[in-house]
Amino acid sequence: EVKMVESGGGLMQPGGSLRLSCAASGFNVSRNYMSWVRQAPGTGLEWVSFIYSGGTTYYADSVRGRFTISRDNSKNTIFLQMHSLRVEDTAMYYCARVLVGGGLTYGHDSWGQGTLVTVSS
Amino acid sequence: DIQMTQSPSSLSASVGDRVTITCRASQSIANYLNWYQQKPGKAPKLLIYAASSLQSGVPSRFSGRGSGTDFTLTISSLQPEDFATYYCQQSYGISISFGPGTRLEIK
Repeated sequence: EVKMVESGGGLMQPGGSLRLSCAASGFNVSRNYMSWVRQAPGTGLEWVSFIYSGGTTYYADSVRGRFTISRDNSKNTIFLQMHSLRVEDTAMYYCARVLVGGGLTYGHDSWGQGTLVTVSS
Repeated sequence: DIQMTQSPSSLSASVGDRVTITCRASQSIANYLNWYQQKPGKAPKLLIYAASSLQSGVPSRFSGRGSGTDFTLTISSLQPEDFATYYCQQSYGISISFGPGTRLEIK
């Protein structure tokens, strides 16, 4: 069974740092494209970051330079290191597996349950 | 960046109704369009990928059409479990983006 469990969320002050984890089971994160997607309270979905199977990473403009995506293949886990947190980073953060076909990316076919990050003074 | 819009933003319908939700991209995205269903307090669920391919395990009453800039999601006969929010998402290029969502409510 494909499963992902996020952790690491919490209440942080603006300017602080936090590291989110996403522990996967039932598949290898190293052989898949993985993504972080966030959802601010009562609003829609916003893509945050990709890490491809080859290790290439991509970021949304809103987080580039502040967030870093990485993975630990031995733990089958991906991470999102977040620095210089802002009030507008407050959201539920989901990790998700990307559906890939022929080297092209499609939707996210599996999602974790999310971890809540609240940035407030 | 590619902007996605959806219409309507909300919709009231009855069990058994046929409903269609529209998604439009700000530029051509070929068929790189995916649809999700999200229920309150839950993660999104992939319904349709590549504009018209039904994700495994998704009921056949869900269907998607379109290419270029204009896409639709149709539910042929609404069931009680279908009342949720629906999002489109483009995966053309690196920077993916989601539509604002369509809330489907019970009439």
